[in-house]
Amino acid sequence: NAGVTQTPKFQVLKTGQSMTLQCAQDMNHEYMSWYRQDPGMGLRLIHYSVGAGITDQGEVPNGYNVSRSTTEDFPLRLLSAAPSQTSVYFCASSYSGTGVGYTFGSGTRLTVV
Amino acid sequence: AQKITQTQPGMFVQEKEAVTLDCTYDTSDQSYGLFWYKQPSSGEMIFLIYQGSYDEQNATEGRYSLNFQKARKSANLVISASQLGDSAMYFCAMREPSMEYGNKLVFGAGTILRVKS
Repeated sequence: NAGVTQTPKFQVLKTGQSMTLQCAQDMNHEYMSWYRQDPGMGLRLIHYSVGAGITDQGEVPNGYNVSRSTTEDFPLRLLSAAPSQTSVYFCASSYSGTGVGYTFGSGTRLTVV
Repeated sequence: AQKITQTQPGMFVQEKEAVTLDCTYDTSDQSYGLFWYKQPSSGEMIFLIYQGSYDEQNATEGRYSLNFQKARKSANLVISASQLGDSAMYFCAMREPSMEYGNKLVFGAGTILRVKS
């Protein structure tokens, strides 16, 4: 099915461990982004990309890295997990035009202990 | 500064009645977009409705309509004839009006809606 695929759906990490959250879309969307969702705070932008080879920081980028080597894939790397990174992570994609809705992945629930 | 404000942390509505979820936004740009998303308990984000700042008509999508009052900077979601399946978290979001940075969305904190039978 066309859409945004995120893996894994659930993950438990120990403090200091690193991991990569995977995100892939098959809609040829130029724009991809990562959000984290925390209670009472809505979704906050971590990093985004306007095309292959182009990434930039969002509102809460510290502790995360991204890369965009292809149009389809936009992985999010946690360099050294901290309990403050316990959250639900969403990947989203869209065309870069105006007035276009985003397509979200199903989310990854990450717990750092 | 808060760009999207949703003042209702939680709402109850009786089945088959209409409900309005409030959203106010803050921007100095003339060109922007406003979105509503639904997040059921299963966790996925479902796009509901979009309103562009230059759209003269209020957006409608089935039972959803967006009451857009530009001068007051409000973009309230109206759900008509509520159904039990409408119970969910609802997020208002604004597209950052920066074509240089693409379509960044800024989200409000959300409103939990519970539909009572």
